[in-house]
Amino acid sequence: EVQLVESGGGLVQPGGSLRLSCAASGFTFSSYSMNWVRQAPGKGLEWVSYISSSNSIIYYADSMKGRFTISRDNAKNSLFLQLNSLRAEDTAVYYCARDIGEVAFDYWGQGTLVTVSS
Amino acid sequence: EIVLTQSPATLSLSPGERATLSCRASQSVSNFLAWYQQKPGQAPRLLIYDASNRATGIPARFSGSGSGTDFTLTISSLEPEDFAVYYCQQRSNWLYSFGQGTKLEMK
Repeated sequence: EVQLVESGGGLVQPGGSLRLSCAASGFTFSSYSMNWVRQAPGKGLEWVSYISSSNSIIYYADSMKGRFTISRDNAKNSLFLQLNSLRAEDTAVYYCARDIGEVAFDYWGQGTLVTVSS
Repeated sequence: EIVLTQSPATLSLSPGERATLSCRASQSVSNFLAWYQQKPGQAPRLLIYDASNRATGIPARFSGSGSGTDFTLTISSLEPEDFAVYYCQQRSNWLYSFGQGTKLEMK
């Protein structure tokens, strides 16, 4: 069974940093591209970042570029998102999602909540 | 950046009725269009990819159509569990974006 489990969320002050993790199981992690998607409270879905299966291709949404860094460790079946210079508007549930052929996301984790507040 | 506009924002229907949800792209996305369902407190679930292909385990009452800039998600006969928020998503030049969502509510 495919499972994606996010962790690392929490309360952080404006300007602070967090590192989110996503532990994958039930599939060959190294064969799939992965993504982060976020959802602010009561709002819609917002794509954050993409990383290819081999780590060689990385993309970010414009509003996240320069502050967020996506990475992965295929040996540990893990995906990461480093969040820096956090702002109140970054408050959201952050989901990791498996990419199928760069067209859609077929499996999602349950999300981890990041709250940016003083 | 390609913007996806979904309509209507809210759709009020009864079980057994047919639902038609629209997604319009600001420029052509070919057939790189997916649809998701999200229920409160849950992660999104993939319904349709490549505009018209049902994802694994998705009932046949869900169908997708369209290409270029205009896309439709149709639910042929609503079941009680279908009332949720639906999002479309596109990929262009390695960048993804989502529509703002359509809330399908029970009348």
